[in-house]
Amino acid sequence: NAGVTQTPKFQVLKTGQSMTLQCAQDMNHEYMSWYRQDPGMGLRLIHYSVGAGITDQGEVPNGYNVSRSTTEDFPLRLLSAAPSQTSVYFCASSYPRTGANVLTFGAGSRLTVL
Amino acid sequence: AQSVTQPDIHITVSEGASLELRCNYSYGATPYLFWYVQSPGQGLQLLLKYFSGDTLVQGIKGFEAEFKRSQSSFNLRKPSVHWSDAAEYFCAVQKTSYDKVIFGPGTSLSVIP
Repeated sequence: NAGVTQTPKFQVLKTGQSMTLQCAQDMNHEYMSWYRQDPGMGLRLIHYSVGAGITDQGEVPNGYNVSRSTTEDFPLRLLSAAPSQTSVYFCASSYPRTGANVLTFGAGSRLTVL
Repeated sequence: AQSVTQPDIHITVSEGASLELRCNYSYGATPYLFWYVQSPGQGLQLLLKYFSGDTLVQGIKGFEAEFKRSQSSFNLRKPSVHWSDAAEYFCAVQKTSYDKVIFGPGTSLSVIP
């Protein structure tokens, strides 16, 4: 199993550009989520999903869109990048049905917005 | 909405000394509680979790945590720290297994040889 795969690992954008961070998991996990990590701020939840077709906002959703058309994929879209979105982004998934709900994290995507 | 505080931004301990990292949460009922560790250049890994039952839970790498309902706390402990424990530690809370997982700001641990 590959686990949680995030692409790209690094990305540099100019202000106003759009891009999509990809997240895929092969563990049949129902729950998927996106976090951003900034120094001193910990991991802040952007959006999450408890299954295909279902998404909900987290703590810092503004400027980001998500969709969940399949169980495996949960892309994060930046429609118009801003320097404040410079961060490291982590995708995480879990299988709540077992009751354990332990998150499996991807390796992270480092985004710089100039 | 649930929230998590970790009062200590940075802690430095000597190798072999004991360690306690504090975590407090705000949520009316008993949530699911987690501690994750992020080592330099590595990903996030679960140390331990509490869902119900015995309030003292054991985790990997010799860590343990105690859930105290009266204090809304879930502090992480280790009796003897190793140099390899230097990392960022995150406490997290979740209301139910299908709800969002909220992380605290983290505590950075440095270990003096």
